Amino acid sequence: AQSVTQLDSHVSVSEGTPVLLRCNYSSSYSPSLFWYVQHPNKGLQLLLKYTSAATLVKGINGFEAEFKKSETSFHLTKPSAHMSDAAEYFCVVSLLSNFGNEKLTFGTGTRLTIIP
Amino acid sequence: KAGVTQTPRYLIKTRGQQVTLSCSPISGHRSVSWYQQTPGQGLQFLFEYFSETQRNKGNFPGRFSGRQFSNSRSEMNVSTLELGDSALYLCASSLGRLNTDTQYFGPGTRLTVL
Repeated sequence: AQSVTQLDSHVSVSEGTPVLLRCNYSSSYSPSLFWYVQHPNKGLQLLLKYTSAATLVKGINGFEAEFKKSETSFHLTKPSAHMSDAAEYFCVVSLLSNFGNEKLTFGTGTRLTIIP
Repeated sequence: KAGVTQTPRYLIKTRGQQVTLSCSPISGHRSVSWYQQTPGQGLQFLFEYFSETQRNKGNFPGRFSGRQFSNSRSEMNVSTLELGDSALYLCASSLGRLNTDTQYFGPGTRLTVL
């Protein structure tokens, strides 16, 4: 079955320390992968996307993610957390729907808390 | 350039009623997708419209329907509302199809069914 799994529902890091948000996917072919962020009471914003080009993808606000096909992972990282990074993060995979078309499937989300 | 706008922002309905939500995409964008976000189920894809045609559909009952107009504006309709339909409904637009172009999300419409 095709799926996307965010391994941590909640991550807490201190300001200035690295951030790692983990995402694994299951797909029968090479998918497109995305990370979105949702701040409280705001809409979703695209952080970065992977579409079979370079495996290391750089996004906005200093975030980056590495596509590892052998591990079926697409983990999101940032070298130094900032208070403004506190939000909900969603790993999103482009997978086949029951109709044979592609659709976006969202992970359950990881809430990132930044400790001052 | 104005972002994706959704109206209304908040809506309260009772069971059995129907509701229509509206989404205006970014100017020039031809694809509009709809999502439902609930605490229990998370974010789920409803459907995608491109050039006035439904191109993709998620696993939702037929009570959920939509359409897209020639100006790319889209509406989503939910008939015979159930308590479980209470959710934040998000719409997103992109220049091309949702899997090839970046999607831009609106602020959502929060629907409460009593």
